This record gives sequence, C-alpha cells and structure tokens, in this order.
Amino acid sequence: GAGVSQTPSNKVTEKGKYVELRCDPISGHTALYWYRQSLGQGPEFLIYFQGTGAADDSGLPNDRFFAVRPEGSVSTLKIQRTERGDSAVYLCASSLTAGQGLINYGYTFGSGTRLTVV
Amino acid sequence: QKEVEQNSGPLSVPEGAIASLNCTYSDRGSQSFFWYRQYSGKSPELIMSIYSNGDKEDGRFTAQLNKASQYVSLLIRDSQPSDSATYLCAVTLDTQGGSEKLVFGKGTKLTVNP
Repeated sequence: GAGVSQTPSNKVTEKGKYVELRCDPISGHTALYWYRQSLGQGPEFLIYFQGTGAADDSGLPNDRFFAVRPEGSVSTLKIQRTERGDSAVYLCASSLTAGQGLINYGYTFGSGTRLTVV
Repeated sequence: QKEVEQNSGPLSVPEGAIASLNCTYSDRGSQSFFWYRQYSGKSPELIMSIYSNGDKEDGRFTAQLNKASQYVSLLIRDSQPSDSATYLCAVTLDTQGGSEKLVFGKGTKLTVNP
C-alpha cells in the first residue's frame, strides 16, 4: 500500500485481556517504530525495528509489552494483562533509513490504533 | 529536564498573521529536527525537516535552527484557519541500536481565527 496501515483502528478490551495491534509499513521501509500517544501529550517511543530485529526496545514500559516483526515487514505489538493505564493511541511509523550516519528523513505515521481498556 | 520542550499554548492568531512556534531541546548531539502537524483525532503528519543552522523555507512555512542555543522554531506566514492544529517538534536521539529515534515535545495547539 501507499501508506502505513494499522489495524484495528479502534480496540476496546476488558482489563486483564490480551491484545494485538498490527502495523503494515510502507513497502521497502526497513525501519519501523512503535509509539504511544496519550491525550495532550506528544508521541512516546516504545520500540524500533531494523529489519526483523528489535534494535531498541528501551521504551517498552514493562514486560507486558512485546513486539515482533518476523519477516521484516508487518509488525505486531502485543500487550498482555491490559490495564486501564494502557489506554492510548498506538502509532506505528516507518522510514527508509535509520542511523549509520545517514540522513534521517523523518517518519511516516499510520493512522493509529485507539486502545481503550475498560 | 524534558528532552524536547514546547510551549503548550494554546496559541491564537488572526487569519493572515504570522504564527511563531518554538521548541528547545536538551541533547547537543541531535542532528535532525522535524515539525509535525497533528489535526484533532488524526496522526502526526511531517511538514518540515531541518538539519543545519539557519532557515529553511517551504511555501508558507519556515523552519529555523540554532544548534548553539538548542532552539528550533516554525513560522507560518499568512496563517489560514486550516492551519489550526497541534504542532509537534521532534528531535533525533541516537541511542542503542542506531535507532535515531525521534523524541517529541508535547505540542503547541494553534488556532487561526477567521
């Protein structure tokens, strides 16, 4: 597709349940990022993939959060035992390059998944 | 100290005026600087990037960077009601894995009044 695709667009789940959020990046973009945005805040970094590997997971808040990108394209963010504090918009972004002294052209964000934990 | 600071506003300007949005950052090693526009209920959209000191113009938008002062700004000339949005400043932070992750400010909400 032309842009970054995220599904579902909205997810309501009960406290304690498990959820999966999916991101399909722009074709050819090797760098993929997950961010989380709470109301009135800027996006907060969660994890970065270069190809299949999670090169920087320093933003994951705790071990209930996990993400994979098994074939270097689609990524899934997984949240176990959801809590009300996990409610936010989860944003995925992709870019052509990252690091190695290359120019950072910035990210293209998907439309996000709004997660509500009740 | 927050890594990227923005005045949260709201900033209100009349149509046709110049809107000035400011941002400071803490990491002197940052190399890339971006402005994103975010309409209510939508995801951030990249509108400007700047990498070296000085001004960069693109249509009605001008980004200004001063690395010595660790300061980035965005000027919007001839502001239009359609410019009403939250403007997010983002700065690269090169950390583990060479991610050059973007660190965002909280954003400044801009309202352009007709």
